[in-house]
Amino acid sequence: QSVLTQPPSVSAAPGQKVTISCSGSSSNIGNNYVSWYQQLPGTAPKLLIYDNNKRPSGIPDRFSGSKSGTSATLGITGLQTGDEADYYCGTWDSSLSAHVVFGGGTKLTVL
Amino acid sequence: QVQLQQWGAGLLKPSETLSLTCAVYGGSFSGYYWSWIRQPPGKGLEWIGEINHSGSTNYNPSLKSRVTISVDTSKNQFSLKLSSVTAADTAVYYCARGRRGGTTGTTGYYMDVWGKGTTVTVSS
Repeated sequence: QSVLTQPPSVSAAPGQKVTISCSGSSSNIGNNYVSWYQQLPGTAPKLLIYDNNKRPSGIPDRFSGSKSGTSATLGITGLQTGDEADYYCGTWDSSLSAHVVFGGGTKLTVL
Repeated sequence: QVQLQQWGAGLLKPSETLSLTCAVYGGSFSGYYWSWIRQPPGKGLEWIGEINHSGSTNYNPSLKSRVTISVDTSKNQFSLKLSSVTAADTAVYYCARGRRGGTTGTTGYYMDVWGKGTTVTVSS
């Protein structure tokens, strides 16, 4: 059972927009920054978004992030077949034993 | 650019100790947090722990009793040991570079460079 809650799957057609939610609590998302990772089949995760809404160099602006309260959202516009992947949210958990926590992952299918 | 190369034994028997090493090439070793993350077959990511260049560590509370992460700054390498493994420890293990920031009371933590992963299978 993951500390952060994500929907198991989402789907949309090429060219459309999709959002992926990530829900947590005050000890993690509520008081810390969120990052998002894309994992293509058979590969290592890749950083997409950090500090809630910042994109590393090389990540297209089709990918965006936002945070409100204890939830965060990843948005992807202009969907491409190459975006089919698993997406994970992550953040720092400031509970007694501070550590990194992830969501369970969301499988994006581009129909 | 920075690259992480990892290696270690891929097949273990129950009760043995998992041992993996990750080498950092092409960038500074200090100023970052060096993490281990694992992913069981068909499942999500689990953070195992981290170490900085000074040897300061943080571990996932669920694994803390069995995990040791160490660093060799002379070689720009860091290592993971996980003792008393069982079939539940079967996973792909990744090393990654962690970056921590934020303001007072708020932590921003993300992993921006990842190794390719090492598949570890625990089976009798």
